[in-house]
Amino acid sequence: GAVVSQHPSRVICKSGTSVKIECRSLDFQATTMFWYRQFPKQSLMLMATSNEGSKATYEQGVEKDKFLINHASLTLSTLTVTSAHPEDSSFYICSARDPRSGGAGETQYFGPGTRLLVL
Amino acid sequence: AQSVTQPDIHITVSEGASLELRCNYSYGATPYLFWYVQSPGQGLQLLLKYFSGDTLVQGIKGFEAEFKRSQSSFNLRKPSVHWSDAAEYFCAVGSNTGNQFYFGTGTSLTVIP
Repeated sequence: GAVVSQHPSRVICKSGTSVKIECRSLDFQATTMFWYRQFPKQSLMLMATSNEGSKATYEQGVEKDKFLINHASLTLSTLTVTSAHPEDSSFYICSARDPRSGGAGETQYFGPGTRLLVL
Repeated sequence: AQSVTQPDIHITVSEGASLELRCNYSYGATPYLFWYVQSPGQGLQLLLKYFSGDTLVQGIKGFEAEFKRSQSSFNLRKPSVHWSDAAEYFCAVGSNTGNQFYFGTGTSLTVIP
């Protein structure tokens, strides 16, 4: 299947700083990527849909000025957590839709996730 | 409204025993159904998917799932569980545009020797 990478895998930062997380599709071009947040022992919560060359679409309740998303190329989307606070500590997972899987219902392939800890 | 329900929060099975994880969905159109597995601290790996055709789909690692439209279910099965199968399993339903995935809350599987 398609491969999606994330960097870094783990990051610890001080409160008030900004953190950038990268999501890359390694063997395919992804016009659409997705960013999820996962709390311990819970399911994934979709934060935003990232479209190459246009503004991201944020889910209700997600602060777009807090979580900046940039999808500047067909293989890279970035999530920047601005002025991070301890409550932003979480597991962030990206996914990319592989258009090669064909037709309707393209499959989403997930990155390995980024563990963010804000002190 | 679209939703996915995984009734079992946690399941424990003995190694070598059979396994069935339940998934029920509510979706207004033809669903596109997925099962993913997540090991601790890792991302999600696709086990199998159903779009159309044969309602019994085969996946990786010996898993299979059966789509039953009359029961709105897409249960995951494995005839003989291995210790390495211990993980969190998520069922998801996708729209035909692929823009939105709805995840279940997950089932945590423990395998005992």
